[in-house]
Amino acid sequence: DGGITQSPKYLFRKEGQNVTLSCEQNLNHDAMYWYRQDPGQGLRLIYYSQIVNDFQKGDIAEGYSVSREKKESFPLTVTSAQKNPTAFYLCASKTGQGYQPQHFGDGTRLSIL
Amino acid sequence: AQKITQTQPGMFVQEKEAVTLDCTYDTSDQSYGLFWYKQPSSGEMIFLIYQGSYDEQNATEGRYSLNFQKARKSANLVISASQLGDSAMYFCAMREGGRRGNNRLAFGKGNQVVVIP
Repeated sequence: DGGITQSPKYLFRKEGQNVTLSCEQNLNHDAMYWYRQDPGQGLRLIYYSQIVNDFQKGDIAEGYSVSREKKESFPLTVTSAQKNPTAFYLCASKTGQGYQPQHFGDGTRLSIL
Repeated sequence: AQKITQTQPGMFVQEKEAVTLDCTYDTSDQSYGLFWYKQPSSGEMIFLIYQGSYDEQNATEGRYSLNFQKARKSANLVISASQLGDSAMYFCAMREGGRRGNNRLAFGKGNQVVVIP
């Protein structure tokens, strides 16, 4: 079945450590997105990519990095510069430039040890 | 400035009753789209319904419908005949700027709904 796969489901990070969250989609979607969700809050955009080898900062990009080397994959690295990384991270994708909805993965919950 | 406002406190609704979730938005664009998503406690975001700014009729999708009032900049979600599985957070989101827009969504902070038997 087509969909978006995020891994791992739970991730623990030590202080000063970089960690990478995986996002893979087999929907042939051009655009991919990373969001952060804190408890009781909405989604905030970290980074997004509309085509391969191109990406743009969202509203809270500091302390994060991404790459888009393949259409299917959009990994997010949470660097040690992100001082408050504990959150729920959601990856999404969509097709085209119009008003098609974004489709989401099941999320990764990141916690600090 | 916040583009999407969802300010209702958590809501309890009796099973089989209807519930309305409020969403107001702020944009200066003439072309925009409004989306509603459901997030159960498991965390995934499920797309429910879409309303385009130029759509003349309110969107409907099964038990979900939108009460779209363009002049008031509101797009309230109505869930009819509530079921226990409707217990979740519900998020309103907006895409601005037409086909040349930035292809981003702005999300509200959500409405919590608990359906009681």
